[in-house]
Amino acid sequence: EVLLQQSGADLGKPGTSVKLSCKVSGYNIRNNFIHWVIQRPGKGLEWIGAIDPANGNILYTEKFRGKATLTADTSSNTVYMQLSQLKSDDTTIYFCATYFFDQWGQGVMVSVSS
Amino acid sequence: DIQMTQSPSSMSVSLGDTVTITCRASQDVGISVNWFQQKPGMSPRRLIYRATNLADGVPSRFSGSRSGSDYSFTISSLESEDVADYHCLQFDEYPLTFGSGTKLEIK
Repeated sequence: EVLLQQSGADLGKPGTSVKLSCKVSGYNIRNNFIHWVIQRPGKGLEWIGAIDPANGNILYTEKFRGKATLTADTSSNTVYMQLSQLKSDDTTIYFCATYFFDQWGQGVMVSVSS
Repeated sequence: DIQMTQSPSSMSVSLGDTVTITCRASQDVGISVNWFQQKPGMSPRRLIYRATNLADGVPSRFSGSRSGSDYSFTISSLESEDVADYHCLQFDEYPLTFGSGTKLEIK
């Protein structure tokens, strides 16, 4: 069974960074891209980007280039997303998902507050 | 970027109804469309992949179809457990883009 376990809720102050994790079990992340998706309160889903842990190839949607940094650790089968220069607008839920979107993490709430 | 125009944004329906949601792609995306169900407080669940294929374990009352750049998602004989938000996704071209979502409610 493929499981994506995301790190717990995170809190950051404006202007700082947080690093979210997505630990994958039952599936080798070298096999394909892992996606990150954002969902603002009461809104739809928005694709942030994806990383191919096998070769480090990373794709971002333009809006999140410079805001999100994707990395991967194949030894622990974990992918990460660092969100920098946090603003109140970054307060929302973030998901990771497998390449075909057939498995998703449980989502993590990031709160930005001084 | 490819836009996926999803309609309606919400629907008030009765149990047993047939429900159809549509996404229109702003350019050709072939069959590279998925449909997801999302219940409150939960992660999205993929129901349909590549426009018309039912994902494993998904009840047969769910279906997807395509007509040109219009992609439809249908629930035949709505059940109470189907109350959720539904989203389409195009994965033909990066950046990937979702529709704006459809909220299903029971009358």
